[in-house]
Amino acid sequence: AQSVTQLGSHVSVSEGALVLLRCNYSSSVPPYLFWYVQYPNQGLQLLLKYTSAATLVKGINGFEAEFKKSETSFHLKKPSAHMSDAAEYFCAVNEKGGSEKLVFGKGTKLTVNP
Amino acid sequence: KAGVTQTPRYLIKTRGQQVTLSCSPISGHRSVSWYQQTPGQGLQFLFEYFSETQRNKGNFPGRFSGRQFSNSRSEMNVSTLELGDSALYLCASSAGPGQGIWETQYFGPGTRLLVL
Repeated sequence: AQSVTQLGSHVSVSEGALVLLRCNYSSSVPPYLFWYVQYPNQGLQLLLKYTSAATLVKGINGFEAEFKKSETSFHLKKPSAHMSDAAEYFCAVNEKGGSEKLVFGKGTKLTVNP
Repeated sequence: KAGVTQTPRYLIKTRGQQVTLSCSPISGHRSVSWYQQTPGQGLQFLFEYFSETQRNKGNFPGRFSGRQFSNSRSEMNVSTLELGDSALYLCASSAGPGQGIWETQYFGPGTRLLVL
């Protein structure tokens, strides 16, 4: 069975600082991995996805994530935080060749301090 | 290209009532999935439809049901509402199997349901 663990339900950074949001997954088959962002009172917006083409994935708004099979991790990074990055971030896994079902982590709420 | 649309955006119901939520996928997308989001349980998969057929179902009681129409629009219904059904219900669409990018789901803004 698939599962996703996001370490840290709340992360706080200063504007301009590195953003690092952690995600570890469990999957019995090669996974597809996703990061979504949710702003208050909105749906989920796709930030980036890993589908085995490249281990370093670049997404929108300056975010990137690296797939590390040996660590079963897919951490999200952004070199320099902006106030507009304040939101909740969700990591999700979908088993390749499987259904459309996404399994989500519990989410990490990012606060950016001026 | 227009995104996923969901109606209504907000709903207030009382216990025991039933509710129907609607989702229109991105044009050309044939797969629609539904998720429930609550503060306690997070994001949980409800069900997925492709070509008017339910392909997968999550661990929800039979009070939760759905359907998909020939134009790929989908509805979900919750009967005999309970207080615990208060949540944000999110719909997601994807191209569907065999499309090369079927695994990427795009979400709508959600319908926020409050059960009193």
